[in-house]
Amino acid sequence: DAMVIQNPRYQVTQFGKPVTLSCSQTLNHNVMYWYQQKSSQAPKLLFHYYDKDFNNEADTPDNFQSRRPNTSFCFLDIRSPGLGDAAMYLCATSSYGYTFGSGTRLTVV
Amino acid sequence: GENVEQHPSTLSVQEGDSAVIKCTYSDSASNYFPWYKQELGKGPQLIIDIRSNVGEKKDQRIAVTLNKTAKHFSLHITETQPEDSAVYFCAASYGTSGSARQLTFGSGTQLTVLP
Repeated sequence: DAMVIQNPRYQVTQFGKPVTLSCSQTLNHNVMYWYQQKSSQAPKLLFHYYDKDFNNEADTPDNFQSRRPNTSFCFLDIRSPGLGDAAMYLCATSSYGYTFGSGTRLTVV
Repeated sequence: GENVEQHPSTLSVQEGDSAVIKCTYSDSASNYFPWYKQELGKGPQLIIDIRSNVGEKKDQRIAVTLNKTAKHFSLHITETQPEDSAVYFCAASYGTSGSARQLTFGSGTQLTVLP
């Protein structure tokens, strides 16, 4: 029944080694979002896609990129992860309301 | 832009008591106000939401009230249970069905229900 699926649940990557997180949805929503959530903080929007139209938040570092090859899938690429990028990464979709995935916990070693 | 303030940051209640969490927002154009429950290590789960054309909404033990004039909305949980313990986030956004909408979150409330 999971409608927004994130893989993997836990990801460990080395400092500076590119990493990709994935998200898929079965809701056929045209908007998909990526949020970063650090410990004890609220989620922070990184960017979103409206269909294929990419919208970057002004303060999202260039180190973060995204791809959306089709309606169902969206990827978050971190080109050179630093220790400060360790966080929970949340994917969400919306039609009117929002639906979040379970998140990927990224650890940088 | 929108700014959402949430209080309190921590809340402890005895099992069976009620819990109330309050949020204020700044943008009068905001028209959608969801509440999320987040358990440790998991993504936010929508527990209830309210739209600006409604003043109150109830779902079993959970209710949300909205005062558009004062720009505040509140979450009420009655007959609390230990499994209600989690971080609760309020949020506000503007948009129409099918459009992209950015959620502005409150800072979160750690609710602890003591058995």
